[in-house]
Amino acid sequence: EAAVTQSPRNKVAVTGGKVTLSCNQTNNHNNMYWYRQDTGHGLRLIHYSYGAGSTEKGDIPDGYKASRPSQENFSLILELATPSQTSVYFCASGEDRGNTGQLYFGEGSKLTVL
Amino acid sequence: GDSVTQTEGLVTLTEGLPVMLNCTYQSTYSPFLFWYVQHLNEAPKLLLKSFTDNKRPEHQGFHATLHKSSSSFHLQKSSAQLSDSALYYCALSLYGNEKITFGAGTKLTIKP
Repeated sequence: EAAVTQSPRNKVAVTGGKVTLSCNQTNNHNNMYWYRQDTGHGLRLIHYSYGAGSTEKGDIPDGYKASRPSQENFSLILELATPSQTSVYFCASGEDRGNTGQLYFGEGSKLTVL
Repeated sequence: GDSVTQTEGLVTLTEGLPVMLNCTYQSTYSPFLFWYVQHLNEAPKLLLKSFTDNKRPEHQGFHATLHKSSSSFHLQKSSAQLSDSALYYCALSLYGNEKITFGAGTKLTIKP
């Protein structure tokens, strides 16, 4: 079974603070993704990556940065967190060519910004 | 840009009745379509995906047919089970593009 692990699983941050969400995958997949999940909006793509050293903007990248230092790790960085970024964040890895559709998701990270 | 629309946010059905969850899409090109399922406190998982060989995808009693003429990929099941209660997402991707776009999701609740 594919394995994607996220940390931390729960985080409370203050407005204006810096938050880093980490993701590690052992699937040896080239592609990795960060989504946020909100009721009424579903899963929205923030950033994704084709491989180590690459990051691409998704549909809602404003206020977020991403880093892919290695094949296994993909981080999401909120330099100045705001309450509107309170959400559940999911990391996923996937095989080459998005048409396979087979994304393997982590368990999610719940972020609350006060 | 490419988008997916799921018109029903909440669907409540009685066990044993048929299920149909709607999904329509907008895309400049012919996309690949997928259904993901997320049970409570779990991660989303792939349920099924469209194929180009005219075979209807099926999994766990669910099936979906890609209709290019109406840009739809509705999810269906003949008889709902209590364990089908979950959040269902329709998603699309384009050939050669790693970006996968999800809809807003439909929460399905099956009652006894």
